[in-house]
Formats: sequence, structure tokens, C-alpha cells
Amino acid sequence: NAGVTQTPKFQVLKTGQSMTLQCAQDMNHNSMYWYRQDPGMGLRLIYYSASEGTTDKGEVPNGYNVSRLNKREFSLRLESAAPSQTSVYFCASEAHRAETQYFGPGTRLLVL
Amino acid sequence: KQEVTQIPAALSVPEGENLVLNCSFTDSAIYNLQWFRQDPGKGLTSLLLIQSSQREQTSGRLNASLDKSSGRSTLYIAASQPGDSATYLCAVSGTGNQFYFGTGTSLTVIP
Repeated sequence: NAGVTQTPKFQVLKTGQSMTLQCAQDMNHNSMYWYRQDPGMGLRLIYYSASEGTTDKGEVPNGYNVSRLNKREFSLRLESAAPSQTSVYFCASEAHRAETQYFGPGTRLLVL
Repeated sequence: KQEVTQIPAALSVPEGENLVLNCSFTDSAIYNLQWFRQDPGKGLTSLLLIQSSQREQTSGRLNASLDKSSGRSTLYIAASQPGDSATYLCAVSGTGNQFYFGTGTSLTVIP
């Protein structure tokens, strides 16, 4: 039981490049989340998926798109990376509303 | 918009001491509150979850309390150990699926 896994662990991009961050969970959870963590800002919600087939914007969705591919997988795409998107990205999942969130190990992204 | 504040930002204590971490939030209409632990370079690990109808939760040496009306929660750590050194984050969820995190308290327990 791996929990929540994220790939890649670390990525360097040039401004304007695109990439997709992958997240998968093997706990049969309904809800999945993408956060970014910046120094002094705490974690901020980018997008979430309350159930398979649905996605909704969080606090900071601009510049990102998401896909809930199936119940297990939730990907985050940067279409045209900007230096302001340099951050640590965390994926999380939750069995049902108002239950414990489980986090992945994070992806460290540097945009030059 | 919900604002979550954690004070102090950093705390250093000798081993064995009992300590309290504080979390405050501006909107009392929360669904639940969670305390997390984050080790350097790692993801978050949930420590305690308090539903809005509850007043406290306990797990081992940890006790978290919730006073929704005053917008406050505390995390009490008894008999601190060097292994407790980490950043502690609190997060509140509202009626939607939005979760709001504080910026954390960095705890160092000195042997």
C-alpha cells in the first residue's frame, strides 16, 4: 500500500515550457487535491476533485489545468510555465468529505 | 476568505517540556480542523482531526482542542522528545471543499 505517490520528485523548467505533474493514490479515495507550498505563504489549494469525473478551482488556479483520469489518478498541468510557479507541489487524497487528508511526498519545481 | 494564523512561527524547547502550539482562524463556520506534521523536505502527515461538533481529540502524547466560537485551536504536546522536531501546521475546512492552512510553527526539541 504505497498511499499517495507523485512524479517527478524534482523538475527544472525554462519559462514557457509545459509539463504535467502526476499523482496517484491506491486507497480508493474519492477526493483528490493539488496544493502549492511557498515560503511564508503556507499551502494553497490549486484545484480539487471531489469525485471521479469532477474538478473544481481552488484558491490559486490561474496558470494550471487538471485532469481526474480515473479514481486513482489526478494530474496537474502547467501549459506555459512562469517563474512565479516555482514552488513545491503536493497532491493529497481523502476518502470522504471531512475525513483525514493523506499527502504525497511533493514535487519540487524550479522555473528559470 | 478564511485566514489561518499560527503563533509562534518558531519554538525551541528542552527535551521533556510540555508545550502548546496555537492556531487561530477568522471564520468560525468550519467543517473540521486538522493538525499536520511536516518534516524537512517531506509531505504532510495528519496528526489529529477535530470535527466542528467536537471539542478535542487525543492521540498518545498529543491533544488538540477546538473552540469554534472564538476561532482557536491548540495542540498540546506532552513530554516533548527530539523526534518531535518538525513543522506543525493546522488547516481548517469550510462548507465547500476548500482547505486553508496556516504557515506553521517550526518546533525544535533540544536534547
